[in-house]
Amino acid sequence: DAGVTQSPTHLIKTRGQQVTLRCSPISGHKSVSWYQQVLGQGPQFIFQYYEKEERGRGNFPDRFSARQFPNYSSELNVNALLLGDSALYLCASSPTSALNEQFFGPGTRLTVL
Amino acid sequence: AQRVTQPEKLLSVFKGAPVELKCNYSYSGSPELFWYVQYSRQRLQLLLRHISRESIKGFTADLNKGETSFHLKKPFAQEEDSAMYYCALRSRASGGYNKLIFGAGTRLAVHP
Repeated sequence: DAGVTQSPTHLIKTRGQQVTLRCSPISGHKSVSWYQQVLGQGPQFIFQYYEKEERGRGNFPDRFSARQFPNYSSELNVNALLLGDSALYLCASSPTSALNEQFFGPGTRLTVL
Repeated sequence: AQRVTQPEKLLSVFKGAPVELKCNYSYSGSPELFWYVQYSRQRLQLLLRHISRESIKGFTADLNKGETSFHLKKPFAQEEDSAMYYCALRSRASGGYNKLIFGAGTRLAVHP
């Protein structure tokens, strides 16, 4: 198992555009969480999905949305991009919704110009 | 407010010296705390959690509810301990909602 995978690795967008980031969890894991990590800071929780339902939400505007598919993979969508959305976006999977142990992916580096 | 504070951005020690990475939290309920580590060019990974009361790679962390702290300690640092360390708090809300709150991280540099 390759662990949690994310695509793309890097992405450059301009202000106002929309972006979709993808995550495939470890086989057998039903929970996917998304984090934003701005340079010099720790990861900030955006969403958790478990069994295709939203189970947690951080303090992010409605421009951020996500969904989880029947195979437990997930997409994070960000609309109307701002310069401040430039960050590393991390996905993490876990077997349950309890967030006891999360396995992180390598991240997607988003740059907004 | 729920918050995790790691007061040191960088901790620099020599090999064999004791290490203490500080973590303080603010949480109104019963806290569940974790330490995550990121080695160079590797993914963020769980190091230990307070509920397990275990020692991993020689590191231990004790939850002190009176001081609202969860400091990470190791008696003798090794060069391979050099990494970024993040303290995290699991916040549980009604309806089964969970979220994980991370501190800003401390970079540990162990010199030969």
